[in-house]
Amino acid sequence: QVQLQESGPGLVKPSQTLSLTCTVSGGSISSSSYYWSWIRQSAGEGLEWIGRFYTTGHIIYTASLKGRVTIVADMSTNQLSLRLTSVTAADTAVYYCASSVVRGPYYFDNWGQGTLVTVSS
Amino acid sequence: QSVLTQPPSVSAAPGQKVIISCSGSNSNIGNNYVSWYQLLPGTAPKLLIYDNSNRPSGIPDRFSGSKSGTSATLGITGLQTGDEADYYCGAWDSNLIAVVFGGGTKLTVL
Repeated sequence: QVQLQESGPGLVKPSQTLSLTCTVSGGSISSSSYYWSWIRQSAGEGLEWIGRFYTTGHIIYTASLKGRVTIVADMSTNQLSLRLTSVTAADTAVYYCASSVVRGPYYFDNWGQGTLVTVSS
Repeated sequence: QSVLTQPPSVSAAPGQKVIISCSGSNSNIGNNYVSWYQLLPGTAPKLLIYDNSNRPSGIPDRFSGSKSGTSATLGITGLQTGDEADYYCGAWDSNLIAVVFGGGTKLTVL
């Protein structure tokens, strides 16, 4: 069973860069069997898919964040990272990492517990 | 503004049945599979339904999913107080090239 755990600063100042890490256990991010995604939920808002990584290096991002977001995988530590630049209060959210199996790339069968990031000065 | 439309809230008594709707368009629900998730505060979201109507192992058959055209529904029978949570639908959107979600539905078990 894949397990995911998000970590990172809970507070980021406006205009700075949000950086989060997802530590994966029970599965390898270099495996061809999984996709690895970041998803967020803002207070009072629904879920928003941010983007996903696949072992071939193929990465896709949601259009609304393209240009500000980067997903990077570190195979040596089995960790996935998320960087979001030029943050504003609108980026305040609970950030989740989640996995999808290759045969079902558009649903998420394992999630981390999420980490709350607040953007405030 | 979420791409998929869900009612903000639904409620029903313990033991009763509730249906949560999810409306989209041809670019998402109409031509792609729908999934459903349960979100409880402080816990990892849980996949309830995938590929419109399939339940992962461990999800009780009280939970069911269906799809017709550009709409989908999640049904929960035999409601329990532990079912109080936020429920989200999701689907791939072929135009946006992204997974899209509904705004979530808060279930209250009265």
